[in-house]
Amino acid sequence: QVQLQESGPGLVKPSQTLSLTCTVSGDSISGGNYYWTWIRQTAGRGLEWIGRIKTSGTTNYNPSLESRVTISLDPSKNQFSLMLSSVTAADTAVYYCARGITVVDFNNWFDPWGQGTLVAVSS
Amino acid sequence: DIVMTQSPDSLAVSLGERATINCKSSQSVLYYSNNHNYLAWYQQRPGQPPKLLIYWASTRESGVPDRFSGSGSGTDFTLTISSLQAEDVAVYYCQQYYTLPWTFGQGTKVEIK
Repeated sequence: QVQLQESGPGLVKPSQTLSLTCTVSGDSISGGNYYWTWIRQTAGRGLEWIGRIKTSGTTNYNPSLESRVTISLDPSKNQFSLMLSSVTAADTAVYYCARGITVVDFNNWFDPWGQGTLVAVSS
Repeated sequence: DIVMTQSPDSLAVSLGERATINCKSSQSVLYYSNNHNYLAWYQQRPGQPPKLLIYWASTRESGVPDRFSGSGSGTDFTLTISSLQAEDVAVYYCQQYYTLPWTFGQGTKVEIK
């Protein structure tokens, strides 16, 4: 059974770069037709899709964040990562990693999700 | 972006009674070439991440109790819990995967009356 676990700093200073890693167990990140995805949740904005990376390395990002986001894969560690630059208080959220399931090779739903990690942006 | 709007924002239902949650998309999420609606439903219990319940608007994920059902097409969708159980207390979200960026509804909180 595949499981995902987020890790990274819980506090980031304004203007710095938020970096999170998702470790995948029970499945190879290099196999299967999946999209490895980051989603965040706030009380004000709800659930917001950040972006995704396919095993081929192809990425797609939310246009609202695209200028600040990078998602990458590390198959040797069975991990994928999120970097969000120039953060502000508005980036304070619970960040989830998730596996995107697709049967039509582009469109996907999410299953499973990691437990989530709270990242606060504050000086 | 496709805007997903759920109603109501919250509802309280007696144990064993039916709960109905609506989700409306700002544009159709029906792909005519394969007749699939690109819509999923999730359950988020307190302190937990969202859990997939339904995809293709009406296909129940493996292991999801059959009291959960999804219906609708085009822009209007419904999640029904036929007989509410205590463990169904949660926030429920719809999500469209028709066009990027994928977007979610604001959530509907289900409580016990």
